[in-house]
Amino acid sequence: GENVEQHPSTLSVQEGDSAVIKCTYSDSASNYFPWYKQELGKRPQLIIDIRSNVGEKKDQRIAVTLNKTAKHFSLHITETQPEDSAVYFCAASTDLRDDKIIFGKGTRLHILP
Amino acid sequence: ETGVTQTPRHLVMGMTNKKSLKCEQHLGHNAMYWYKQSAKKPLELMFVYNFKEQTENNSVPSRFSPECPNSSHLFLHLHTLQPEDSALYLCASSPTLDRVAYEQYFGPGTRLTVT
Repeated sequence: GENVEQHPSTLSVQEGDSAVIKCTYSDSASNYFPWYKQELGKRPQLIIDIRSNVGEKKDQRIAVTLNKTAKHFSLHITETQPEDSAVYFCAASTDLRDDKIIFGKGTRLHILP
Repeated sequence: ETGVTQTPRHLVMGMTNKKSLKCEQHLGHNAMYWYKQSAKKPLELMFVYNFKEQTENNSVPSRFSPECPNSSHLFLHLHTLQPEDSALYLCASSPTLDRVAYEQYFGPGTRLTVT
């Protein structure tokens, strides 16, 4: 089955700097990779996703890159702000009916003043 | 609010109790999910329902019993739980399982403590 590894588990960056979170997956059939942000005490919310037919997707300060050959994908946050502090989860799934979505263990991002 | 609600938000129960968690979505979605989130583990998918039919049981112990009477409501019935079952239980919904757009909308969760 699919296995998703996420690194680092904790990340601290100075406000204004960039943050990068990396995930690897094992199932080459996976073709959909969402990223969720979970603020303290709140529910996970989708912030960006990417499908296997593209290598990069950007939405303002957030970008995700995908390397299908190496089976890894990364979340990039530029010009970090205090409100970016949260736990970020990557996930992988296929769009096949009844397939699972597998989450990484999460990265706790701290934005330092 | 994302359109997915869960009740209760907090629940404390003994190991011999029977309780139920409720999830309701107002988004017109057809797929609903139960997840378990504990301090030491990532989000764990427990059950998946698509058009009221269970399509996934991710090796969940029988002390957790899901029920989906219609596409808008999902229950998780709990009985004879163990202290290690204490966790945040999240409900989510998505349009269907067939679409490539697989975005899931999460509810606020029920914080369960088993004593």
